[in-house]
Amino acid sequence: GQNIDQPTEMTATEGAIVQINCTYQTSGFNGLFWYQQHAGEAPTFLSYNVLDGLEEKGRFSSFLSRSKGYSYLLLKELQMKDSASYLCAVRERDKLSFGAGTTVTVRA
Amino acid sequence: GAVVSQHPSRVICKSGTSVKIECRSLDFQATTMFWYRQFPKQSLMLMATSNEGSKATYEQGVEKDKFLINHASLTLSTLTVTSAHPEDSSFYICSAREGGDSYEQYFGPGTRLTVT
Repeated sequence: GQNIDQPTEMTATEGAIVQINCTYQTSGFNGLFWYQQHAGEAPTFLSYNVLDGLEEKGRFSSFLSRSKGYSYLLLKELQMKDSASYLCAVRERDKLSFGAGTTVTVRA
Repeated sequence: GAVVSQHPSRVICKSGTSVKIECRSLDFQATTMFWYRQFPKQSLMLMATSNEGSKATYEQGVEKDKFLINHASLTLSTLTVTSAHPEDSSFYICSAREGGDSYEQYFGPGTRLTVT
């Protein structure tokens, strides 16, 4: 199994930058995903990292260090609509295990 | 993009009855489908993995006789919650993955089950 840890909550101001960290322990790492989930809705895909380094996609970037069991999701130029839960998910073979999620609140 | 639908979106049932939830991949063939459960303010927990034409693989602690999964075609999987109890009230989400080297899972919109 996996231990996936991420902060419970974060608050930031509109236009700012927020970094959500995720640490994990797994025996068969096969990629790491970040998802966004609004309350009562299904997760939507944000990013996927399987190799070390930074993946940039518009306002969102994700970083992975496999040796450290560490990833982060960087949200830039925060908008009110970015208020949501952000889930870190580790793929082991064919299965995804999710962290508990980080609730990000964006304030005006 | 790939779309996965779920039906119903919300269902209320009485304790002791059974409920069936459908998960469909609308524009692709899903070799593998996954069923998750999410309790309030908790993360998604994988319940089972189903491959088309074969029996589902259940995660530890998930009763296969209570949560019946059928993956009869490449576009449809069903989850039946049998003899539902209030503690089964949860948000059930399916996801679907194409075959081959595809790594991405496409999630359905979820089904909110309330057992009274």
